[in-house]
Amino acid sequence: AQSVTQLDSQVPVFEEAPVELRCNYSSSVSVYLFWYVQYPNQGLQLLLKYLSGSTLVKGINGFEAEFNKSQTSFHLRKPSVHISDTAEYFCAVSEKWSGGGADGLTFGKGTHLIIQP
Amino acid sequence: KAGVTQTPRYLIKTRGQQVTLSCSPISGHRSVSWYQQTPGQGLQFLFEYFSETQRNKGNFPGRFSGRQFSNSRSEMNVSTLELGDSALYLCASSFGQGTYEQYFGPGTRLTVT
Repeated sequence: AQSVTQLDSQVPVFEEAPVELRCNYSSSVSVYLFWYVQYPNQGLQLLLKYLSGSTLVKGINGFEAEFNKSQTSFHLRKPSVHISDTAEYFCAVSEKWSGGGADGLTFGKGTHLIIQP
Repeated sequence: KAGVTQTPRYLIKTRGQQVTLSCSPISGHRSVSWYQQTPGQGLQFLFEYFSETQRNKGNFPGRFSGRQFSNSRSEMNVSTLELGDSALYLCASSFGQGTYEQYFGPGTRLTVT
């Protein structure tokens, strides 16, 4: 079974500074990887995904992530954050099925990104 | 396109009662998944339905059940509610089976007293 570890429960960052949110996963098979963002009292919004191909993926709102298979990591980065980026960020993994399709998403515990003015 | 809609948005029930939550996926999406979000356990996968069939199930007791209709709308039912069932229940839809890219609704906040 897969698992996801987000080492940092909270990350405070000054506005316009760069940020990296860490995500490591564990799985015995190939996986799809995702980052979602959740604003207060809202559902989850997909930031970006890795399905296959280039290990550097770009998403919405200036975010990007790099898939590192050897380190089983999928860290999220943004070069310059804004107050509006304050939210909860979730890393998720889904194990691929050999016949097509995939498992339900397994989420990390989330990282609360706090932007300080 | 309209997004995923969930009804009701808020619900208060008493322990021992049952509850039904509804989810309408994005038009054209045939897969619906349900997740439970709590402060203690985080986000946990409940089950996935595709073409009216449950294709995948998480590790939840049998009190949690669901179904999907021919128009892809889905309902989730929880019987004999417990205090620990208080949570935000999120529905997500995707075009095909599996979870290549899921779009989430705003959730239903269930409070059990």
